Amino acid sequence: DTEVTQTPKHLVMGMTNKKSLKCEQHMGHRAMYWYKQKAKKPPELMFVYSYEKLSINESVPSRFSPECPNSSLLNLHLHALQPEDSALYLCASSQSRRTSYEQYFGPGTRLTVT
Amino acid sequence: GNSVTQMEGPVTLSEEAFLTINCTYTATGYPSLFWYVQYPGEGLQLLLKATKADDKGSNKGFEATYRKETTSFHLEKGSVQVSDSAVYFCALRIAGGTSYGKLTFGQGTILTVHP
Repeated sequence: DTEVTQTPKHLVMGMTNKKSLKCEQHMGHRAMYWYKQKAKKPPELMFVYSYEKLSINESVPSRFSPECPNSSLLNLHLHALQPEDSALYLCASSQSRRTSYEQYFGPGTRLTVT
Repeated sequence: GNSVTQMEGPVTLSEEAFLTINCTYTATGYPSLFWYVQYPGEGLQLLLKATKADDKGSNKGFEATYRKETTSFHLEKGSVQVSDSAVYFCALRIAGGTSYGKLTFGQGTILTVHP
């Protein structure tokens, strides 16, 4: 099973709302990632967790707050977002950060900020 | 720095035509190379990978060979189908440094196949 699941599939939120995106994998992977993808663009890395510890933060604004409660789960907490944060948010996982291991992506959460 | 350059699209082909999507890269060290495909409204799927020079990745009729001498990883398929219509991303990962494990993507190439 090479499945990464993400919920919700779609999310509409106002600029004062607080919401969370969830990601889950049961492949025993120890590295998990959050990406942001705007239309017709490649994904942009936001965060990397390795063995449940934050390894990379690509200078993401603090209104995005990641959390890795255990090795299978990854959350992205959203607060006071801006309309320009509307995008497809993709979660991915890999066996480790080792470069030869491929990343498996989830289907994404389509976020609209109004 | 590390970067990936893909041929600009969109690419429009007739069914059963031969496909080539060019990908070249610049990297410090020894990258692993990947092709991902994204169908409309979906996440990315790994299509194939190569982890060292002269490796050939293949899957679902697609092939790409890791050419260190030309720093290239061109994607090919002998006979495309309408169902191959999607966006294709070339990507690399490098070892070492603060970006260890980070995927660097090309800009993506939109492929449309007509019946």
